[in-house]
Amino acid sequence: SQQGEEDPQALSIQEGENATMNCSYKTSINNLQWYRQNSGRGLVHLILIRSNEREKHSGRLRVTLDTSKKSSSLLITASRAADTASYFCATDPTDKLIFGTGTRLQVFP
Amino acid sequence: DTGVSQNPRHKITKRGQNVTFRCDPISEHNRLYWYRQTLGQGPEFLTYFQNEAQLEKSRLLSDRFSAERPKGSFSTLEIQRTEQGDSAMYLCASSQQGRDRKFGPGTRLTVT
Repeated sequence: SQQGEEDPQALSIQEGENATMNCSYKTSINNLQWYRQNSGRGLVHLILIRSNEREKHSGRLRVTLDTSKKSSSLLITASRAADTASYFCATDPTDKLIFGTGTRLQVFP
Repeated sequence: DTGVSQNPRHKITKRGQNVTFRCDPISEHNRLYWYRQTLGQGPEFLTYFQNEAQLEKSRLLSDRFSAERPKGSFSTLEIQRTEQGDSAMYLCASSQQGRDRKFGPGTRLTVT
């Protein structure tokens, strides 16, 4: 079963714009991770944020975490066509990783 | 380090047939995980191993599914008497004690 929901389910933007996707989860967490999946391929780990962190940056990625609301957001700045993919949040209650439903991002050149 | 590999990449089978998939993890990783992903959904956890021991199985893993990791290296996932609802991408991942988790490219199963 899925841990939670991601919002929006799909997002279309132009190159250079920022993309924001949100994730809500259900249970207590130690950390929350974001993954990217190109069409029909395996998942690539993007960033991990621990439960005691509120914000984390990695290159063009910015992740926030609000444990009181059980939610996280992923911001991709200055998007590129190569960012076109599905993005999933995942929580790790017992090392097994529980994924959200994903946001499909389309970046048009 | 060649990453996690999975074979075959695609499998088409008729309903009622048995299928077996293989996952070769990153050599120094002691944990190995199996997930199933249906179209438009996130991956769902099936089972995981630490070395050769199967530590947890999801309720999704019906009696028709069995996974093994006999020598603590590669793993196999077998589905007996396949059903159309088994059509999905089967993903394998490995990690070292939960760290540095890497996913394989997946095996896409189509049951006709």
